[in-house]
Amino acid sequence: EAGVAQSPRYKIIEKRQSVAFWCNPISGHATLYWYQQILGQGPKLLIQFQNNGVVDDSQLPKDRFSAERLKGVDSTLKIQPAKLEDSAVYLCASSLQTDNSPLHFGNGTRLTVT
Amino acid sequence: GESVGLHLPTLSVQEGDNSIINCAYSNSASDYFIWYKQESGKGPQFIIDIRSNMDKRQGQRVTVLLNKTVKHLSLQIAATQPGDSAVYFCAENLSGGSYIPTFGRGTSLIVHP
Repeated sequence: EAGVAQSPRYKIIEKRQSVAFWCNPISGHATLYWYQQILGQGPKLLIQFQNNGVVDDSQLPKDRFSAERLKGVDSTLKIQPAKLEDSAVYLCASSLQTDNSPLHFGNGTRLTVT
Repeated sequence: GESVGLHLPTLSVQEGDNSIINCAYSNSASDYFIWYKQESGKGPQFIIDIRSNMDKRQGQRVTVLLNKTVKHLSLQIAATQPGDSAVYFCAENLSGGSYIPTFGRGTSLIVHP
């Protein structure tokens, strides 16, 4: 099966600019996750979707971050405006269901904010 | 041996040795645990999982042990190979309404040929 696809692979922007990341999960996976991974740390969950509904977004900085999964398949994560501390790898993952299923990750988008 | 680096705990082993990577989880209500391997420039990759009604599970060259009493998880890799060099994360699924996969800090495994 094809894996989780993410684009772009790398992005460099200046602070206060906006940026968007795209994710295409594995076909048939109802649950989609966006994680932020700062260098040297484990992935931190930003938002979790079940189909096109939000399951958890408690750690999403909603003043600048937004995410959508309008048709329950692809998803986009946006940052506007970006801050220096947003520099990280943004990982998208999908799973068959919400509970007791391993996550399948894409290779992420490395964001550098200057 | 195991040492604490600037960012990640690091375990250095010789090729062919067995490796043991440890993880302490936070929530006694967690009922599903997963080990992931992350190579440089890639996303985490599923290795093995275990449910809370088990205390041991074996895969190919890997074994996961779960001690719920002390909230401890370990990953044992037999006959470690250079290709096993990566960062290893344990993750717990916090139950109660919605399952939220939560990752630990990670351990960097370095295998010397």
